[in-house]
Amino acid sequence: KNEVEQSPQNLTAQEGEFITINCSYSVGISALHWLQQHPGGGIVSLFMLSSGKKKHGRLIATINIQEKHSSLHITASHPRDSAVYICAVRSERETSGSRLTFGEGTQLTVNP
Amino acid sequence: NAGVTQTPKFQVLKTGQSMTLQCAQDMNHNSMYWYRQDPGMGLRLIYYSASEGTTDKGEVPNGYNVSRLNKREFSLRLESAAPSQTSVYFCASSVSGRGYGYTFGSGTRLTVV
Repeated sequence: KNEVEQSPQNLTAQEGEFITINCSYSVGISALHWLQQHPGGGIVSLFMLSSGKKKHGRLIATINIQEKHSSLHITASHPRDSAVYICAVRSERETSGSRLTFGEGTQLTVNP
Repeated sequence: NAGVTQTPKFQVLKTGQSMTLQCAQDMNHNSMYWYRQDPGMGLRLIYYSASEGTTDKGEVPNGYNVSRLNKREFSLRLESAAPSQTSVYFCASSVSGRGYGYTFGSGTRLTVV
């Protein structure tokens, strides 16, 4: 079993729909990252969080440390949101640097 | 502000050839990383450098070596390329600690034939 599990693996939505991507992890963490990878391949950091909730534009990320679970929500989805969304965690045992363990990603396609 | 610059973007090698992937960051980050991305798998850590002067193995270090040349530059070397090293390679950097400012390079698509 992977340390970081994402669901769903693939998600197709219509423009305007509310989207939720889930991430569960099995280790104690000090931080969780949500990343976006566009078809061109580049990876962009969306959020880093260790508790509660963060919002940036139409994106909202939440985390429940006790349940070892995080969600990424996209409100009013748009075709330009089509990308792979990746969850990654930093172990609480990490003492220096910030090695991350990644989920396999969720391929999101938003149709017009 | 360029962020993390990786070169080359594409490379085809023959089995047994060697090459070095270059990575440089201009954000004054302490930590740098090399990851590989393969279909159906999450990114996996090859090597990392928590700070200038230190390097450590990650999850999949076999067949690779690294050099932290200075605070800005962290190179990855394949001494004798194998088809199993066909992958997309990403360099990344971050502020030490929880990973503030995690920034990825644009990736190198390597094919070993």
